[in-house]
Amino acid sequence: EVQLVESGGGLVQPGRSLKLSCAASGFTFSNYGMAWVRQTPTKGLEWVASISTGGGNTYYRDSVKGRFTISRDNAKNTQYLQMDSLRSEDTATYYCARRYDFDYWGQGVMVTVSS
Amino acid sequence: DIQMTQSPSVLSASVGDRVTLNCKASQNINKYLNWYQQKLGEAPKLLIYNTNNLQTGIPSRFSGSGSGTDFTLTISSLQPEDFATYFCFQHNSWPYTFGAGTKLELK
Repeated sequence: EVQLVESGGGLVQPGRSLKLSCAASGFTFSNYGMAWVRQTPTKGLEWVASISTGGGNTYYRDSVKGRFTISRDNAKNTQYLQMDSLRSEDTATYYCARRYDFDYWGQGVMVTVSS
Repeated sequence: DIQMTQSPSVLSASVGDRVTLNCKASQNINKYLNWYQQKLGEAPKLLIYNTNNLQTGIPSRFSGSGSGTDFTLTISSLQPEDFATYFCFQHNSWPYTFGAGTKLELK
């Protein structure tokens, strides 16, 4: 059974950093591209970033480029999202998702950016 | 960015009804359109990928069609567990984008 479990969310002040993790199981992690998607009541669902199987190719939405970094450790079956210079508009539930078109999702983790 | 417009935003229906949800892309996305179902407090779940392919484990009452810019999700006979919000999603061009959703509610 495919499982994706996010961790690392929480309350953080504007301008600070947070690192999300996503532990994968139930499939051969190194064979799949991975992604992060976020959701808010006002903006809905937004793709945030994607990473290729080996980690050599990464893609970001414009609003997070230069501030967020997606990475993965295939030996640990885990992907990450390093979020720097956080803004209030980054407040959202963040989901880890498998494949470029998100066939499986984690349960989500809340990130709140507020002073 | 490609804009995805879903209609209606809210659809009231009864158990057993046949319903059709619509999704329109602002430009050609070929066949690269997925449909997701989301229930309150849960993550989205993939129903249909690449316009008309049923994800493993999804009941056959769900089907998708369309091409280019206009797509539909049809539920042939609504079941109680189908009342949820449905999102379309294009993965033809970066940045990938979602529609705002259609909330399917009990009439």
